[in-house]
Amino acid sequence: QQPVQSPQAVILREGEDAVINCSSSKALYSVHWYRQKHGEAPVFLMILLKGGEQKGHEKISASFNEKKQQSSLYLTASQLSYSGTYFCGTDGSGNTGKLIFGQGTTLQVKP
Amino acid sequence: DVKVTQSSRYLVKRTGEKVFLECVQDMDHENMFWYRQDPGLGLRLIYFSYDVKMKEKGDIPEGYSVSREKKERFSLILESASTNQTSMYLCASSSGGAGTDTQYFGPGTRLTVL
Repeated sequence: QQPVQSPQAVILREGEDAVINCSSSKALYSVHWYRQKHGEAPVFLMILLKGGEQKGHEKISASFNEKKQQSSLYLTASQLSYSGTYFCGTDGSGNTGKLIFGQGTTLQVKP
Repeated sequence: DVKVTQSSRYLVKRTGEKVFLECVQDMDHENMFWYRQDPGLGLRLIYFSYDVKMKEKGDIPEGYSVSREKKERFSLILESASTNQTSMYLCASSSGGAGTDTQYFGPGTRLTVL
C-alpha cells in the first residue's frame, strides 16, 4: 500500500521553511526521499534507516519515527532551486531494494 | 556518473499496437525497475528485476510484461496498447538488494496511446 504524503502541494517564498510528511500503514526498514524537477528524472536526496542512521543531502534534513511509521522532510531557508515534486519511497523489508513511493508533494518556491 | 537511458522521450502509438520501451544502465546494477507516473498517483511499480531473466510483479502489472536478457537492459512490453496506458514511464536501477540502495532514474518516456 502506498505511503501517504502531506501536504499535496505547497507554495513558499524564498527563505521560508517547509515540512513534508510521509506516513505508512506498514512497519518500515527505511525511508528514501527523492526530488523531481519539472521535465527531469527523480533524483535521490536522502535515506533514513531504522535505528536512526541518515545519509544524504547537506541542506535538507529529515526525521524517521519508526514507531509511528512516519518520516518528515525539512526544507529550511528554501531556495528557488528547491522547487519540484518530492517523493518518499518506503522499504518494509530491507532486503529487496524495492520501494513503494507516495503520491508526491509539489513544492513551488517563489522569489 | 550512473547513467540510465531510455529509448524514447516521446512515443505515440495506436490502440492495439505492441509497444516496446527499452531501458539501459551502465553501472552493472543488479536491480532494474519500471514505474508508471500519473498526476496525483505518484510512482507506481509495474515490474522489477533482480537478476538476468528474473522478474517480479509490482503493484500494477496488468497489461504489461518485461524482458531482461542482459544485465544492462530491461524492456517493458505493452502487448496490446490501450488508451488507459497513456502515461509517463520511468525506468530505474540500483546496485543490489539492500534497503539502503539508491535508485537511479532514467529521463522517462511519455507514451500516448490514441
